[in-house]
Amino acid sequence: SQQGEEDPQALSIQEGENATMNCSYKTSINNLQWYRQNSGRGLVHLILIRSNEREKHSGRLRVTLDTSKKSSSLLITASRAADTASYFCATALRPGGATNKLIFGTGTLLAVQP
Amino acid sequence: GAGVSQTPSNKVTEKGKYVELRCDPISGHTALYWYRQSLGQGPEFLIYFQGTGAADDSGLPNDRFFAVRPEGSVSTLKIQRTERGDSAVYLCASSPTSGTTGELFFGEGSRLTVL
Repeated sequence: SQQGEEDPQALSIQEGENATMNCSYKTSINNLQWYRQNSGRGLVHLILIRSNEREKHSGRLRVTLDTSKKSSSLLITASRAADTASYFCATALRPGGATNKLIFGTGTLLAVQP
Repeated sequence: GAGVSQTPSNKVTEKGKYVELRCDPISGHTALYWYRQSLGQGPEFLIYFQGTGAADDSGLPNDRFFAVRPEGSVSTLKIQRTERGDSAVYLCASSPTSGTTGELFFGEGSRLTVL
């Protein structure tokens, strides 16, 4: 089953614009991660934010986490055509019975037009 | 390259046949995961190994699916009596952590097509 749902399902922007993707989840988490997947390839880890963190940056990426709303957002600034890919959020559930697995969302397909 | 390696990259089989998919994780990674991804969907958890043992196999859809990791390194996902609905990309990932789930390192996947 999918823990997370992402919004929007698809996003098309022009190079240089910012792209924002949102993720909502259902149960308490230990951390939330974002992954990127180019067409026909495996997933690549982008960034991890822990449940006690509210914001994290990595290069052109900015992730926020609101545990009270069970939601996260990924912002890609100054987008490039090479950012075209699918983006997935994934949640690591709280320990204490739960095992160490990541549950992935449904993904956002980002297209950056040159 | 010391990434996660999956073979075969593509497998076409007929309904009812038996299939094995292999995953060679990053050396030293104790945790190994299998996921299944259908077109346009996110990866769906199948099974998680910590060392040689299956710590969580709650995602295996039925008893036609089985996975092993006998020496705590290479893993094989086995599918018996394949059905057309088994067609998907099967992704393997490994992680060095044995505690709280950290970053997963994914292979390129094995695309299974059941005719």
